[in-house]
Amino acid sequence: AQSVTQPDIHITVSEGASLELRCNYSYGATPYLFWYVQSPGQGLQLLLKYFSGDTLVQGIKGFEAEFKRSQSSFNLRKPSVHWSDAAEYFCAVGAGTGGGNKLTFGTGTQLKVEL
Amino acid sequence: EPEVTQTPSHQVTQMGQEVILRCVPISNHLYFYWYRQILGQKVEFLVSFYNNEISEKSEIFDDQFSVERPDGSNFTLKIRSTKLEDSAMYFCASRMKGTEAFFGQGTRLTVV
Repeated sequence: AQSVTQPDIHITVSEGASLELRCNYSYGATPYLFWYVQSPGQGLQLLLKYFSGDTLVQGIKGFEAEFKRSQSSFNLRKPSVHWSDAAEYFCAVGAGTGGGNKLTFGTGTQLKVEL
Repeated sequence: EPEVTQTPSHQVTQMGQEVILRCVPISNHLYFYWYRQILGQKVEFLVSFYNNEISEKSEIFDDQFSVERPDGSNFTLKIRSTKLEDSAMYFCASRMKGTEAFFGQGTRLTVV
């Protein structure tokens, strides 16, 4: 069974500082990996995805993530955080994009940005 | 930009009552999903639906739950007899083959 671990429940960074949110997954085959962001009371917005190819993927809002198969990780990064990035971030793994494949989410990391 | 639409945004119901949560997926999408998020917890998969039938369901999705695509555009989740523990945010999602899932804004269900 697939699973996702986000070891940091809360992270606080200063505006303008760099950010890295950790994600480790467990899946027996090539995973399909996603980062979603959720602002309070809002839905889930896709930040970026990894299906195959280049292991460094670029997303919206200046975010990027790197897939490292050897470490089973898909960490999210941003070089300079903005106050508007404060939200909850979810890493998710899918077994593929064909068929009825479901997403398995991590428990999320709540990001607070100090001005 | 096309989006997944969910109604209502918030529903309050009494324990034991039936509720129907409605979703309009993106029009050319083929795969449909319901997820739920209990307050403060992670998003959990409930059910996937393809070609007019359930393709996978979780252990949460018991006999009290059902899904339907009644008219080719709506996708509904019915809870027959709600319990307090059904209180959660319910998300609908849809996707094409080979793409990521797009999520709606969610319906917050409160069972009192």
